[in-house]
Order: sequence, then C-alpha cells, then structure tokens
Amino acid sequence: AQTVTQSQPEMSVQEAETVTLSCTYDTSESDYYLFWYKQPPSRQMILVIRQEAYKQQNATENRFSVNFQKAAKSFSLKISDSQLGDAAMYFCAYRSASVIGTPLVFGKGTRLSVIA
Amino acid sequence: DAGVIQSPRHEVTEMGQEVTLRCKPISGHDYLFWYRQTMMRGLELLIYFNNNVPIDDSGMPEDRFSAKMPNASFSTLKIQPSEPRDSAVYFCASSFRLNQPQHFGDGTRLSIL
Repeated sequence: AQTVTQSQPEMSVQEAETVTLSCTYDTSESDYYLFWYKQPPSRQMILVIRQEAYKQQNATENRFSVNFQKAAKSFSLKISDSQLGDAAMYFCAYRSASVIGTPLVFGKGTRLSVIA
Repeated sequence: DAGVIQSPRHEVTEMGQEVTLRCKPISGHDYLFWYRQTMMRGLELLIYFNNNVPIDDSGMPEDRFSAKMPNASFSTLKIQPSEPRDSAVYFCASSFRLNQPQHFGDGTRLSIL
C-alpha cells in the first residue's frame, strides 16, 4: 500500500521569506500524481499544486513550486515570498494514475506559521 | 460553479443519537468520497462511490457507520449510534475521474458529547 510521510509537524517562516515543506512517499507504481493541499483555519481543503509523475519538470503555481525527485520518492513544496495568508496546515497527497487505482492517500500534515 | 456542499457545518449531539451528514457533489463528477479528519489519525478515507455505487468501504470504521448515494447529486453518511470517539471533521469530496483532482466541501465538525 502507498504511504505518504511528512516529517515536519510544524514549521515557521518570516513574512517575505522562503520555506520548504518536506514530503516523501512509498509506492511500487511508476505512474501517479502528487498533490499539495492547503487547509487554513477556515477548514477548507484547497488544492495548491499538482505534479504528474511522468513529467520531469517541476510544477509551479505563482509563489508555490515543488521539487519532485522521483528516484528518491520525494516531493517538497517551496513557498516563496511567504505571506500571512499562507499560514495553514499543508497536506501532501498521493494518487495512483490508474483509473482503478486507489484514491488520495494523505500525509499527516505540516502546520505552517508565518511570522510578521 | 457551486463547489461541493456539505451540511450541517457543525453538529453537536449526545452519544447514542443518530447523526446524518449530507453532501452534494459538483455536478458532473462521477466520484464521491467521504473522509474523516482527526488530530490523531489525520485524514482517512472512509468510503468512495463511483456513479452512485460504493466501490471501497474498507475505511468505514464500524457497522455503526453507513453511507448511501441514492442519486448523482446527493450522499449521506450516517452514524448510529454515535459515540464520543466519532467526534471529528468529516469531509466530502468529488472528482470527475478517479485520477483527477478532488474538490472538497467545507466539512462538518461533529461533536459527540
């Protein structure tokens, strides 16, 4: 079974600085998707960024980018120019690319605090 | 477009009572998922449906939990009888395909006293 591990329960960053959240996963599949979700205090689950395993190019969405290392099974999230609104729980998630594969498998999350 | 709609947003009830959580997925999405979130266990998938049919309910913790999807626009998650350890945030999510991004509702915070 696939597993997702986020080894940092909590992180903090100064406003305008850069922070990297770590995620590793375990799978025997070669084709899959990886996601980062943000959960602010409002409780919503917001998709931040998505990466297809067959793509070597790292995904980028504005201030959010990932460092995808397929061989190492690592998928870290970098937040540049951190803003107060970035404070939230961040969840890394894995999904098989197979149409009959397993749905999302989540890590336990990293709580990010942004210091003004 | 309306997102995934869950109701109620908060539910407080006494143990032993029946609890019903409701979800309306995004129109056109073939998949619907129920998750439970707790501090101890994080986000757990309870059950998911494809075209209103339950596909995998292996995450449902006990027989006290049941889920139905009578049509493409509505699903319920029931707990009967409820217990304090069922207290959690329950999320519903939907997706167009299994390998497409899931869109989450705002969750129901359930407190069993």
